[in-house]
Amino acid sequence: KQEVTQIPAALSVPEGENLVLNCSFTDSAIYNLQWFRQDPGKGLTSLLLIQSSQREQTSGRLNASLDKSSGRSTLYIAASQPGDSATYLCAAHSGYSTLTFGKGTMLLVSP
Amino acid sequence: DAGVIQSPRHEVTEMGQEVTLRCKPISGHDYLFWYRQTMMRGLELLIYFNNNVPIDDSGMPEDRFSAKMPNASFSTLKIQPSEPRDSAVYFCASSPSGTGRSNEKLFFGSGTQLSVL
Repeated sequence: KQEVTQIPAALSVPEGENLVLNCSFTDSAIYNLQWFRQDPGKGLTSLLLIQSSQREQTSGRLNASLDKSSGRSTLYIAASQPGDSATYLCAAHSGYSTLTFGKGTMLLVSP
Repeated sequence: DAGVIQSPRHEVTEMGQEVTLRCKPISGHDYLFWYRQTMMRGLELLIYFNNNVPIDDSGMPEDRFSAKMPNASFSTLKIQPSEPRDSAVYFCASSPSGTGRSNEKLFFGSGTQLSVL
């Protein structure tokens, strides 16, 4: 059974800092790894999807990497802004049509 | 497209009552998923449908939970009778091909916050 862990559970940084969120998964036989953002009281919004054959994906100030052999993915956020404050979840797709989610990292970027 | 639409946004009910949550997926999406989110357990998949047919309901916690998808544009999740431990946020999500293809994303609704007193 796939298990996904995210560290840290919460992170507080001043505006402008670069930061890294970590995600680890136990079963390396994945189809893809996805990163989502969740704002309070809202649903999840897909940020980046890395296919199993890829090493990284970039979207604006976000960069996600994938190392299947070690069971790890990282989400790098450059020049953080208060608007980046949210919970970030990673999810591993390791079975047809299902995703296993981590519990998320709650990020607070202070002005 | 308006995205995945869920109703109600909030539901407060008393233990023992029947609760029905509703979802309208994005038009053209073949897969629909029901998730439950709690602080303790995070996001858990309850059940998913492909072309209105339930494919995997192994995540449904008990027989008190049931889900239906009578047509491509509507699904319900019913809890009868409800219990306080059912309190959680319930999300509906849809995707074009169920993330079975390696590059397909999942689209979530805003969720239903359920409180069972």
